[in-house]
Amino acid sequence: EDQVTQSPEALRLQEGESSSLNCSYTVSGLRGLFWYRQDPGKGPEFLFTLYSAGEEKEKERLKATLTKKESFLHITAPKPEDSATYLCALFYGGSQGNLIFGKGTKLSVKP
Amino acid sequence: DTEVTQTPKHLVMGMTNKKSLKCEQHMGHRAMYWYKQKAKKPPELMFVYSYEKLSINESVPSRFSPECPNSSLLNLHLHALQPEDSALYLCASSQEGRGSPLHFGNGTRLTVT
Repeated sequence: EDQVTQSPEALRLQEGESSSLNCSYTVSGLRGLFWYRQDPGKGPEFLFTLYSAGEEKEKERLKATLTKKESFLHITAPKPEDSATYLCALFYGGSQGNLIFGKGTKLSVKP
Repeated sequence: DTEVTQTPKHLVMGMTNKKSLKCEQHMGHRAMYWYKQKAKKPPELMFVYSYEKLSINESVPSRFSPECPNSSLLNLHLHALQPEDSALYLCASSQEGRGSPLHFGNGTRLTVT
């Protein structure tokens, strides 16, 4: 049973067409939710950390939000260079904690 | 450019070879990680070092042997690998253990022939 689910698996947008990526989770004791961007053949690039419901973070065309059950990554007026796989990762649990990655959303933005 | 540097970028090795992957960070982070990533899959945790001591080993086969010589360096020694071990190996670091975001290097693309 997946504890973190990202949707959609793939998303194709036209340049300028805003949309949202979803990361829903069922873990208890969430201690942090991270969003990453990964380009082919490269390591994940850290974007945002969200720690509590209601929190929002923004960076250029990206805005991340968090509720008690899910997080959204909103992309406003995307450009082709925003094409990448977006991963969310959850840190949860006691003492040492656990970090679990979602399977990612592959975003393609066409000019 | 990332602040976590991994070498080499690419490695091709035979099943009888011994090789090492290297990782270096200068962000003052005290936790370092090795992840394995197969194509179109999320990263999978292999090892965690906290304050230069191995704190987590996710049941990784002994043909993978990690080493943390100091707080800035992390090595992964490889011996007698199998073709299915071919993957992107990612190093990451974070502040004060696993509650802080991980910062990843760009990985070593390993091919076992």
